[in-house]
Amino acid sequence: QKEVEQDPGPLSVPEGAIVSLNCTYSNSAFQYFMWYRQYSRKGPELLMYTYSSGNKEDGRFTAQVDKSSKYISLFIRDSQPSDSATYLCAMISSTLGRLYFGRGTQLTVWP
Amino acid sequence: SAVISQKPSRDICQRGTSLTIQCQVDSQVTMMFWYRQQPGQSLTLIATANQGSEATYESGFVIDKFPISRPNLTFSTLTVSNMSPEDSSIYLCSVEGTSGRPSYNEQFFGPGTRLTVL
Repeated sequence: QKEVEQDPGPLSVPEGAIVSLNCTYSNSAFQYFMWYRQYSRKGPELLMYTYSSGNKEDGRFTAQVDKSSKYISLFIRDSQPSDSATYLCAMISSTLGRLYFGRGTQLTVWP
Repeated sequence: SAVISQKPSRDICQRGTSLTIQCQVDSQVTMMFWYRQQPGQSLTLIATANQGSEATYESGFVIDKFPISRPNLTFSTLTVSNMSPEDSSIYLCSVEGTSGRPSYNEQFFGPGTRLTVL
C-alpha cells in the first residue's frame, strides 16, 4: 500500500465550478499536510499547508484535514482557467523527516 | 520563500554519458533535496543533501549512479551517471529551512531539469 493515495484524474470542470481534490494516507504519524500546484513544465509551488486536523482558508482555496479518517481535501471555489494545473498533496512528520507525495490530480478549468 | 534556479532547464543526452544538474538558491538553506518526477507518477525523493556531510540516499538510489555535491549552503549538484533511456525524467531540486532551521511546512522547488536519454 502506498503511503499517500491520490486520484490522478484528469478532472475537467467549467469556470466558476467548485472543485474538490482529495488524498488519503496510511501513516498516522503525518502531522503537516500540504498542497502544491504545478503548472505544465514548471516546478511545484506550495499552495497551502495545514498542521494536524482542521480547516484553513486562503482566498478561494480551503484545505481540510481529517486525521481520524486519514483524509485531506482541497476545495477551490469559483474556479478559473488559471487554476488549470496539477495539484499534488504532500505530507510530513517531524519523525519521518521527508515529504511524501501523492501522484497529483490534473485539473482543467474551461471557460 | 526562496528563489531556486536549475541548470540546464532541459537536455537530450546519449546513453552511457553523464549529466550534472546544478541547483542555486538565493539564500542559505539547511536542507536541499533532489527528486525525480516521471510522467504520471508522484515525486520520488532521490537523496537529501546537507552541507558538510555525505548525501543520504533513498532506497533504490545509489551514490555511484547519482553522485551529489553540496559545497555550501546555497548550491548543490546532482549527476546522473552512465545514463540509460530509463533515466529520462524531470529532476527537481528542493530546499527547506530558509530561516536557518528545519521548517517542515516550508519546502520549495526549483523549475526542474527535463532530461531525455536516447
